[in-house]
Amino acid sequence: GAGVSQSPSNKVTEKGKDVELRCDPISGHTALYWYRQSLGQGLEFLIYFQGNSAPDKSGLPSDRFSAERTGGSVSTLTIQRTQQEDSAVYLCASSTKTGGETQYFGPGTRLLVL
Amino acid sequence: GQNIDQPTEMTATEGAIVQINCTYQTSGFNGLFWYQQHAGEAPTFLSYNVLDGLEEKGRFSSFLSRSKGYSYLLLKELQMKDSASYLCAAYSGAGSYQLTFGKGTKLSVIP
Repeated sequence: GAGVSQSPSNKVTEKGKDVELRCDPISGHTALYWYRQSLGQGLEFLIYFQGNSAPDKSGLPSDRFSAERTGGSVSTLTIQRTQQEDSAVYLCASSTKTGGETQYFGPGTRLLVL
Repeated sequence: GQNIDQPTEMTATEGAIVQINCTYQTSGFNGLFWYQQHAGEAPTFLSYNVLDGLEEKGRFSSFLSRSKGYSYLLLKELQMKDSASYLCAAYSGAGSYQLTFGKGTKLSVIP
């Protein structure tokens, strides 16, 4: 079956612009996660959704970052007024439910802020 | 909070066995994941250990000692395609469903 998909695969933007990153989880997966992977760093948790609600937003690095999920499926991560330090690979993962279930990752969006 | 440590890089010979270690210090712990990530690709699931001991899955095995805060991934009969980064991740459980990842171990398999 189809895995987690993300778009765009690559995004180059200018400092100060807003960007939207999209994640399509595996059908039927109720839990959705966003991570960020910077060069030479481990995956950094950003936010977790259960259905359409986000009980854990603790990883969002600043108020420029926000995310939403609609219909219990697609999620959008928005970064406002992008900064060069936002350059990273943004990975989305989904799982059937929370509680130690395996998270399946999408291919990521490579964001470069010039 | 959680702290995950694993070696940055390792090199091993095709056909050999390699062990990648991971130590963790956590305020809560429910299990340990290993993921494989080829350059430019998504991490893919390898194993999940909840109980102490060794779990074998083909050429890959994973071990966990909860009392020591220690895990390892064992790769046997190494193949060139095993060259990748191997990510150790701790799952803390109820109240925090995120995975906390180490920085990954880049394994290079040489002929």
